Amino acid sequence: DAGVIQSPRHEVTEMGQEVTLRCKPISGHDYLFWYRQTMMRGLELLIYFNNNVPIDDSGMPEDRFSAKMPNASFSTLKIQPSEPRDSAVYFCASSLVAGNTEAFFGQGTRLTVV
Amino acid sequence: GENVGLHLPTLSVQEGDNSIINCAYSNSASDYFIWYKQESGKGPQFIIDIRSNMDKRQGQRVTVLLNKTVKHLSLQIAATQPGDSAVYFCAEIPINNAGNMLTFGGGTRLMVKP
Repeated sequence: DAGVIQSPRHEVTEMGQEVTLRCKPISGHDYLFWYRQTMMRGLELLIYFNNNVPIDDSGMPEDRFSAKMPNASFSTLKIQPSEPRDSAVYFCASSLVAGNTEAFFGQGTRLTVV
Repeated sequence: GENVGLHLPTLSVQEGDNSIINCAYSNSASDYFIWYKQESGKGPQFIIDIRSNMDKRQGQRVTVLLNKTVKHLSLQIAATQPGDSAVYFCAEIPINNAGNMLTFGGGTRLMVKP
């Protein structure tokens, strides 16, 4: 397995535009997580899914953020409209089962909103 | 990935020396702890884990120590190499957390001098 795959690796967009980040988890993993990493706040959990169902989205900062997981091999994180303060690196991670296992992270998408 | 940069505590060690990175956690109900390594431009990568019923666990060149009394976790790296230069995060999962939700610490930057 190639690991968690995220696209794009880099995204530069203008304020007000819609941004869609994509993630392919490791095959067979039941949990998928979206994290955001910034200099000021470190790594923050935004939302996670179990078996394609959103379980906890309390970390999503605003209604401008939404996430979907239409099937077990694909998830999106959308920001609409984007703002400069959304600039960060967004990571997707997946893990196998509930309980005490580590999560495997993708390479991240570096988002810059100008 | 964008490491939490300017505000990170930094540990600078000479190549070949041992490194000790510390982490304080706040949730006494945490049951499982993980150390992650994040190199520049990459996502966090699992290093080693430990459960709350243990106080020490060893891997290849790494040892994790857990002191539940003072809620302290440490990562020891033996014979530190230039390739160990990265940001290190501790993460915890509370007991009975069915969601595998990692809570990350702020990170420590390790710099290895040749």
